[in-house]
Amino acid sequence: EPEVTQTPSHQVTQMGQEVILRCVPISNHLYFYWYRQILGQKVEFLVSFYNNEISEKSEIFDDQFSVERPDGSNFTLKIRSTKLEDSAMYFCASSEPTGSSGNTIYFGEGSWLTVV
Amino acid sequence: AQSVAQPEDQVNVAEGNPLTVKCTYSVSGNPYLFWYVQYPNRGLQFLLKYITGDNLVKGSYGFEAEFNKSQTSFHLKKPSALVSDSALYFCAVRPRRSGSARQLTFGSGTQLTVLP
Repeated sequence: EPEVTQTPSHQVTQMGQEVILRCVPISNHLYFYWYRQILGQKVEFLVSFYNNEISEKSEIFDDQFSVERPDGSNFTLKIRSTKLEDSAMYFCASSEPTGSSGNTIYFGEGSWLTVV
Repeated sequence: AQSVAQPEDQVNVAEGNPLTVKCTYSVSGNPYLFWYVQYPNRGLQFLLKYITGDNLVKGSYGFEAEFNKSQTSFHLKKPSALVSDSALYFCAVRPRRSGSARQLTFGSGTQLTVLP
């Protein structure tokens, strides 16, 4: 069964450093997302991406965050200058190219980011 | 603004007994409704969704969920619980409007423990 894959599974970084989290969405999907889950808290939406541009973003997704689809398969989340409060599990997700918001969003296994 | 409530942080049930994990939502209009499961150190796995039609939706691993419009609820159920069902369960909603790049809003999650 096709799946969303993410790398790295776990990264530890110094505060202030840049981090890039990578994702390979399901191959025929055209909508891509990043969500995060701070330990013990809800899963929160960060950003959605379609047709090489951001479709929606939350208040969390401020100027220190950016997303990119550098080639035909990868989708990345960059955090420019990490803060302690960025420590979380980051989930990449993708969904099929239909016109309905009822299509299923499929999630990867997550990248656990620890900022020290 | 849309919101999802999972009133129980923890649900314990004996193996073989029926289980219910509760979810209520507050969204304008009729949203799409989803259940996801998260096993320890794993990503979010899609279980089932309600789009339209029959209020009882059947999903993976014998789970089902009942949509109740008047009570704005979408409770997850299984007739006979297994120890392997022990995991964290998330209810999520998504606005019913055009375009697939629409964010999911998650509940806070319910930890299900099935006791042998």
